[in-house]
Amino acid sequence: GAGVSQTPSNKVTEKGKYVELRCDPISGHTALYWYRQSLGQGPEFLIYFQGTGAADDSGLPNDRFFAVRPEGSVSTLKIQRTERGDSAVYLCASSLKGGTSVYEQYFGPGTRLTVT
Amino acid sequence: KNQVEQSPQSLIILEGKNCTLQCNYTVSPFSNLRWYKQDTGRGPVSLTIMTFSENTKSNGRYTATLDADTKQSSLHITASQLSDSASYICVVSSSTDSWGKFQFGAGTQVVVTP
Repeated sequence: GAGVSQTPSNKVTEKGKYVELRCDPISGHTALYWYRQSLGQGPEFLIYFQGTGAADDSGLPNDRFFAVRPEGSVSTLKIQRTERGDSAVYLCASSLKGGTSVYEQYFGPGTRLTVT
Repeated sequence: KNQVEQSPQSLIILEGKNCTLQCNYTVSPFSNLRWYKQDTGRGPVSLTIMTFSENTKSNGRYTATLDADTKQSSLHITASQLSDSASYICVVSSSTDSWGKFQFGAGTQVVVTP
């Protein structure tokens, strides 16, 4: 079956603009995660969904960042008033179930966001 | 301070040789430790997952070890191939951490040369 997909693969936007990044998880996976990865660093946790609800959003850096998963499948990460420091690769992952259990996390290819 | 430290930051090895990557963590109480391989421009791919009771796990030419007492893990790559060139990331989760939050190391960049 299809893996985790993310669109767009690349996004260039001007400082101050609004962007939306989309994640399509593996069908049937109830847990969905968003991470941000800067060059040469490991992924940094942003938010975790269990079903439709955000089970843990403690990684969102500020109130310019928001994510939704209204039907428990596709998720959208929304960034308002983008800043140059938001430039990074945004990774999405899904797993059959969530929490700190040992279910495999499957990552998408990421969206490279560049804020000019 | 990052709760997961990896070393070395990068290494170059000749094709066919072995290498060992290190991961030290302070995450407590411990739930599980994962090693991922991340090719350039791609998302991480899981290699191994180990819980407290497991001290070694293999996936083909990759063998991970875990010493939960010293809070150390290693990833050994045997008979390296050019396709092993990638970043290898150690990830640790706590049994009492917020659900879904994993602590990622910065990764070790491995370059395999012919």
